[in-house]
Amino acid sequence: ELKVEQNPLFLSMQEGKNYTIYCNYSTTSDRLYWYRQDPGKSLESLFVLLSNGAVKQEGRLMASLDTKARLSTLHITAAVHDLSATYFCAVDLEIGTASKLTFGTGTRLQVTL
Amino acid sequence: DAGVTQSPTHLIKTRGQQVTLRCSPKSGHDTVSWYQQALGQGPQFIFQYYEEEERQRGNFPDRFSGHQFPNYSSELNVNALLLGDSALYLCASSELGRRFYGYTFGSGTRLTVV
Repeated sequence: ELKVEQNPLFLSMQEGKNYTIYCNYSTTSDRLYWYRQDPGKSLESLFVLLSNGAVKQEGRLMASLDTKARLSTLHITAAVHDLSATYFCAVDLEIGTASKLTFGTGTRLQVTL
Repeated sequence: DAGVTQSPTHLIKTRGQQVTLRCSPKSGHDTVSWYQQALGQGPQFIFQYYEEEERQRGNFPDRFSGHQFPNYSSELNVNALLLGDSALYLCASSELGRRFYGYTFGSGTRLTVV
């Protein structure tokens, strides 16, 4: 059974600081997603990572994927308060004609002034 | 271009009752997946529908059932509701064979069982 672990579970950081969220998974997959979720809201897609070595950046967020290490990272540069949310990684597995996402535990990010 | 639409947004049910949640996928998408997200946890996969058939199922009891219609919309039915079924239910649509575009999630239905 695929297991997806994120760390840290909770991250409090000051504005302007940098930090990295880690996502480890237990089964080979070359498709991983990062989502953001605000309290009481749905999931907003941030990044789609489709191959080993993939790196994508949007604003202050950068995501990477190392399929050999089964590791993805979400790096936050010069954090601002608006980035406060819960971040999930999700690994996509194909089973025949079907697929399913297995989500990590989530990282609750709180950016303080 | 409308995204994924879910209804209702909120509802409250009593233990033992039955509930039906609805989802209309994004235009051009033919696959619908359902997820349950309990408070403070990550979403858990319930099942996926394609061509009106359940293609994959997660670790959920038979009380959870679904349906997909010819227009690709989908329903999630939960029978004999338990307090533990209280959660945010998310629908995600995608296009088979083009999953490199990812999944689009709806805004969810928050179900409270009392």
